[in-house]
Amino acid sequence: DGGITQSPKYLFRKEGQNVTLSCEQNLNHDAMYWYRQDPGQGLRLIYYSQIVNDFQKGDIAEGYSVSREKKESFPLTVTSAQKNPTAFYLCASRSVAGGHSYEQYFGPGTRLTVT
Amino acid sequence: GESVGLHLPTLSVQEGDNSIINCAYSNSASDYFIWYKQESGKGPQFIIDIRSNMDKRQGQRVTVLLNKTVKHLSLQIAATQPGDSAVYFCAENIGYGGATNKLIFGTGTLLAVQP
Repeated sequence: DGGITQSPKYLFRKEGQNVTLSCEQNLNHDAMYWYRQDPGQGLRLIYYSQIVNDFQKGDIAEGYSVSREKKESFPLTVTSAQKNPTAFYLCASRSVAGGHSYEQYFGPGTRLTVT
Repeated sequence: GESVGLHLPTLSVQEGDNSIINCAYSNSASDYFIWYKQESGKGPQFIIDIRSNMDKRQGQRVTVLLNKTVKHLSLQIAATQPGDSAVYFCAENIGYGGATNKLIFGTGTLLAVQP
């Protein structure tokens, strides 16, 4: 099965701890994205990567970090500097080959709760 | 106090009726639009897309209409079923040249289908 996997589905952490969320895709997509979703709100872009070893800040990057060492993987670290880390985190990927749509394929999400 | 954004716009319809979900987008230079469906606790799923050089596109039971004059997008669902109950997001693509494109998401509309 091709797709995007995120793990774990639920994650609990104590305030002050860093936590890393996993995102893996086997769609051979070049671009990958991390979004944050709060209750009753749309998706806000945290970071995105168009190619391996390169990534850019999105609209709400403060308190987060990413890496893109492999095409298939784009882990997100929520650091202790993120003031309101409790949220639903979504990873997505997209093919950037010519002629494709701009559709992003989403993973199932990770719900992070920090207390 | 109550946080802004906790209450999504809600459309309540009877099973078998047609549903129309509306979306206003922000950027007149947006060249591509997508509708996503998100069920509770899951990642968004692609429904249908439309390019800015089109006014209408039809899929299975769904139709998207684009009015560039007033920057308005709508999703029509025919013969709405209980399985259509979800939050629906529109997204506009803003291109920055080359492979760099970003989707900007609306806040979503909750579709509640009454049996």
